[in-house]
Amino acid sequence: QSVLTQPPSVSAASGQKVTISCSGSSSNIGSKYVSWYQQFPGTAPKLLIYENTKRPSGIPDRFSASKSGTSATLGITGLQTGDEADYYCGTWDTSLSNGVFGGGTKLTVL
Amino acid sequence: QVTLRESGPALVKPTQTLTLTCTFSGFSLTTTKMCVNWIRQPPGKALEWLARIDWDDDKYYTPSLKTRLTISKDTSINQVVLTMTNMDPVDTATYYCARTVAGPDYLDYWGQGTLVTVSS
Repeated sequence: QSVLTQPPSVSAASGQKVTISCSGSSSNIGSKYVSWYQQFPGTAPKLLIYENTKRPSGIPDRFSASKSGTSATLGITGLQTGDEADYYCGTWDTSLSNGVFGGGTKLTVL
Repeated sequence: QVTLRESGPALVKPTQTLTLTCTFSGFSLTTTKMCVNWIRQPPGKALEWLARIDWDDDKYYTPSLKTRLTISKDTSINQVVLTMTNMDPVDTATYYCARTVAGPDYLDYWGQGTLVTVSS
């Protein structure tokens, strides 16, 4: 059971927009930065979003994120088949004093 | 250029101790705020954060595995070692090391991962 809660799967048509939610608590999302990771099968996760809303160099602006209270949301616009992957949210939990992830969300582009 | 690479046995027997090494380059664990984490992922399952060691030698462990895990560093050769005792088949997973900057706490660079299978 993951500390952060994500929907197991989301889907949307090519070219459309999708959002992935990540719910936590005051000891993690509510008080720390959230990051998002993209993972393709058989490969290591890749940093997609850091410090709640920032994109590393090379990440297209089709990817965006926000945070409000104890929840965070990843948005992807102009969906492409190449976006099909697993997406994870992550942060630090100040009560547990350890890193925490969501259970991951599998994105399917129809 | 920051790189990390995990190494260790691909197969361990139940009850044995697993020792994994993360060899990194492009940064130093003597630099303030630098940290290295271990994360694992059982086949078909989610990421699970395991442990972290900081530039000042602070160490953090996931509570459920704290009694079985030990993380250490050798800054002279840019390595972080994770040991996990009493291995069980449920510990079969791909193990990743990843860099963090303390405070923002995001994992900006990851190794490619190493698959460890626990089986007799």
